[in-house]
Amino acid sequence: NAGVTQTPKFRILKIGQSMTLQCAQDMNHNYMYWYRQDPGMGLKLIYYSVGAGITDKGEVPNGYNVSRSTTEDFPLRLELAAPSQTSVYFCASNQGWGSYEQYFGPGTRLTVT
Amino acid sequence: RKEVEQDPGPFNVPEGATVAFNCTYSNSASQSFFWYRQDCRKEPKLLMSVYSSGNEDGRFTAQLNRASQYISLLIRDSKLSDSATYLCVVSRRVNFGNEKLTFGTGTRLTIIP
Repeated sequence: NAGVTQTPKFRILKIGQSMTLQCAQDMNHNYMYWYRQDPGMGLKLIYYSVGAGITDKGEVPNGYNVSRSTTEDFPLRLELAAPSQTSVYFCASNQGWGSYEQYFGPGTRLTVT
Repeated sequence: RKEVEQDPGPFNVPEGATVAFNCTYSNSASQSFFWYRQDCRKEPKLLMSVYSSGNEDGRFTAQLNRASQYISLLIRDSKLSDSATYLCVVSRRVNFGNEKLTFGTGTRLTIIP
């Protein structure tokens, strides 16, 4: 199993540009999450999904959108990128329903200038 | 007050020493507790779950004190490979059997040869 994969690993965006961060998992997990991690800060939940077709906001959803059309994929869309969105983005998944360990992807380092 | 608080460190400890980290949480409804390990520029990975009875995994011992709302991690006979940031993670039920994880900012540990 590849586990949780994310692309790209690095990206530099100009202010106002848009992009999609890709996340996929091959563990047949129902639950998927997007976090951002800023230097010296804990991970903050952006969006999560409990299954295909179901998504919900986390703590810091503004400026982002998600979709979950399949169990495997959970892309994160940034519209009109801002410098405040410079961060490391982690996607994670777990089976849920009593299995609370979350498995993380390797992260995407995004810089908005 | 932050929901999960940790001493950020850094802790610089000689190889072979014992080191202990503490973490406090503010939400008494929290149900599950974990320590995650994050290597530099890598994703977090589960180190161990924390139970009220305390649990041990090799050189690592985790304790939970629900009355005082703190969690501890003890590392004995520390190795160079233990150098990492240790994240205290607390979860509580949200809905649909899903649990929301709240991450501490992490404690950085460096083991000195």
